[in-house]
Amino acid sequence: NAGVTQTPKFRILKIGQSMTLQCAQDMNHNYMYWYRQDPGMGLKLIYYSVGAGITDKGEVPNGYNVSRSTTEDFPLRLELAAPSQTSVYFCASGPSGHSGANVLTFGAGSRLTVL
Amino acid sequence: DQQVKQNSPSLSVQEGRISILNCDYTNSMFDYFLWYKKYPAEGPTFLISISSIKDKNEDGRFTVFLNKSAKHLSLHIVPSQPGDSAVYFCAAFSGYALNFGKGTSLLVTP
Repeated sequence: NAGVTQTPKFRILKIGQSMTLQCAQDMNHNYMYWYRQDPGMGLKLIYYSVGAGITDKGEVPNGYNVSRSTTEDFPLRLELAAPSQTSVYFCASGPSGHSGANVLTFGAGSRLTVL
Repeated sequence: DQQVKQNSPSLSVQEGRISILNCDYTNSMFDYFLWYKKYPAEGPTFLISISSIKDKNEDGRFTVFLNKSAKHLSLHIVPSQPGDSAVYFCAAFSGYALNFGKGTSLLVTP
C-alpha cells in the first residue's frame, strides 16, 4: 500500500532551469494538494485539485504550474527556477472535500535547492 | 496572514510527564481542526482531529481540547515517550485545504 509517492526526493537546480515534481497516489482520492515548507515555517498551499481536470491556486502559486489529467497523478511544474523556490515540497491527497472526512495523507517530500 | 498560530517553537518534557502543545486561530469559520506529527525527512502524518461542535477528543495517550470562545486548542500527550519527539503541526480546514501553523518541536528526554 504505497499511499502518496513523490519523486525525486532530492534535486539541485540552477537558476532559470525548469523541472517537474511528480506525485502519485493509489488511494483513489479525488483531492490532491501541493504544499511547500520553508525552514521554521508551516506548510503553505501552492495548488490543489478537487478532481481530474480541475485545479486551483493556493496561497503561494507564483512560479508554479500544475495539471491533473488522471485521478492518480498531480505533477508540479517549476518554470524558471529561482532561489526563493528552495524548499521542501509535499504532495498530499484526501478522500473528500468535506472537512470532517478529509484527513490528508502526505508524501515523504521532495527537497529542492536552487543555486 | 497567519490564521493558525503556534507560538511556541519548541518544548522539552521529561519522559512520563505530560506534554501540552498549544494552538490559536483567528478565523471563526474554521469547523475542523487536526494535529499532524512530523519526523525529520518524512511527510506529516495525521495524529488526531476535532470538530468544532466538540470540546474534547481522545485517542489513547493523545487528547485534543478545543475552546471556541478563546479560539484556542491544545494537544495533551500523557504520558510522554521519547518516540513522541517530533514536530507537531496544528491545522484547520479552510475551504478545501488545510491551513497550517508553523509547528512546535517536542523533545521528550529520558
